[in-house]
Amino acid sequence: ELKVEQNPLFLSMQEGKNYTIYCNYSTTSDRLYWYRQDPGKSLESLFVLLSNGAVKQEGRLMASLDTKARLSTLHITAAVHDLSATYFCAVDSQENNDMRFGAGTRLTVKP
Amino acid sequence: NAGVTQTPKFRILKIGQSMTLQCAQDMNHNYMYWYRQDPGMGLKLIYYSVGAGITDKGEVPNGYNVSRSTTEDFPLRLELAAPSQTSVYFCASSQGYGYTFGSGTRLTVV
Repeated sequence: ELKVEQNPLFLSMQEGKNYTIYCNYSTTSDRLYWYRQDPGKSLESLFVLLSNGAVKQEGRLMASLDTKARLSTLHITAAVHDLSATYFCAVDSQENNDMRFGAGTRLTVKP
Repeated sequence: NAGVTQTPKFRILKIGQSMTLQCAQDMNHNYMYWYRQDPGMGLKLIYYSVGAGITDKGEVPNGYNVSRSTTEDFPLRLELAAPSQTSVYFCASSQGYGYTFGSGTRLTVV
């Protein structure tokens, strides 16, 4: 069964700093997604990664996928307060027609 | 476009009561899903559907039922509500890569 693990689960960082969130998954999959969730809100799609070596960037966020290592990273560059949210990675399950989520990384960016 | 619409947004149920969470999408997506999200946790799949008339269990189906009589609608039924079903419920739809999520239903069972 597909398992998705994120780390860290909690991340407090200062504005202007860089950091990386990691997402590991347990079985073969070629599709990985990153979502953002603000408190009390729904999930907003950030990135869709569909192949090994895929890299996507939007503003201060950059996501990459290594399907051989079963690893995706979400890199934050020069963090700003507006990036404070919970970030989830999710992986398509090839066994089932669904997507499994990591537990989420709660990011707080402090001035 | 409305996307994925969930109703109600909030609901308080007493133990043993039943209710139906509604989900509708206007994107003609074949795939629809119900997830629950407990406080501080990720999403767990309850049920999903790959098309009208076809449903299947996810990770945590106990205590729930679904039906998919049309492409647009995918209601989730709670029978005999229990405190353990207190959660935020998200419906999602897909046609290919990635999901579109509804705004969620916050359910409290007391």
